[in-house]
Amino acid sequence: ETGVTQTPRHLVMGMTNKKSLKCEQHLGHNAMYWYKQSAKKPLELMFVYSLEERVENNSVPSRFSPECPNSSHLFLHLHTLQPEDSALYLCASSQGGGNTEAFFGQGTRLTVV
Amino acid sequence: GQQVMQIPQYQHVQEGEDFTTYCNSSTTLSNIQWYKQRPGGHPVFLIQLVKSGEVKKQKRLTFQFGEAKKNSSLHITATQTTDVGTYFCAGWGYALNFGKGTSLLVTP
Repeated sequence: ETGVTQTPRHLVMGMTNKKSLKCEQHLGHNAMYWYKQSAKKPLELMFVYSLEERVENNSVPSRFSPECPNSSHLFLHLHTLQPEDSALYLCASSQGGGNTEAFFGQGTRLTVV
Repeated sequence: GQQVMQIPQYQHVQEGEDFTTYCNSSTTLSNIQWYKQRPGGHPVFLIQLVKSGEVKKQKRLTFQFGEAKKNSSLHITATQTTDVGTYFCAGWGYALNFGKGTSLLVTP
């Protein structure tokens, strides 16, 4: 138990589906992150929320849409995904940034069919 | 932007042998962190190095931060099967930027 909980743990979706990944942190942190981890690439930063303000990685396709309703919750809304989007999606949180450790959730293993 | 490079990508050792992974940054780092990810697991924080030339030890693990604060290394002495996993270094930008990791396999 890391204090960061992700649901679901596994998800299979079709390319026309809409789904959402959820992340909740119980650590009182003020920053949350989405990372994508695939076999071909390292941990790729997707989105950052700091004090509920979004800092976006411009290379993320618009079919991924983050939402941070409060400092404890983070969502990743998915629509019209491609098979190459299949990966492990990891949520992380930290207290501020730059000099603190990040705590990761166990991830959502996404398969797009 | 900041790029963090890590070598080797893979390392296969016999139990009892030593292991080292190296991390290099394209820019000077304020600090560097190391994480371990077990197979099927998620990254877990190991340590943070802040000072130029800093060396920290955790049992059989030795972490070093370069004098110029642009490189770092993790050395494991006498590996055990429990050391299996992927070791990542990471530097802070507006979020943690991870190296590609070194996957360690230890054969009994």
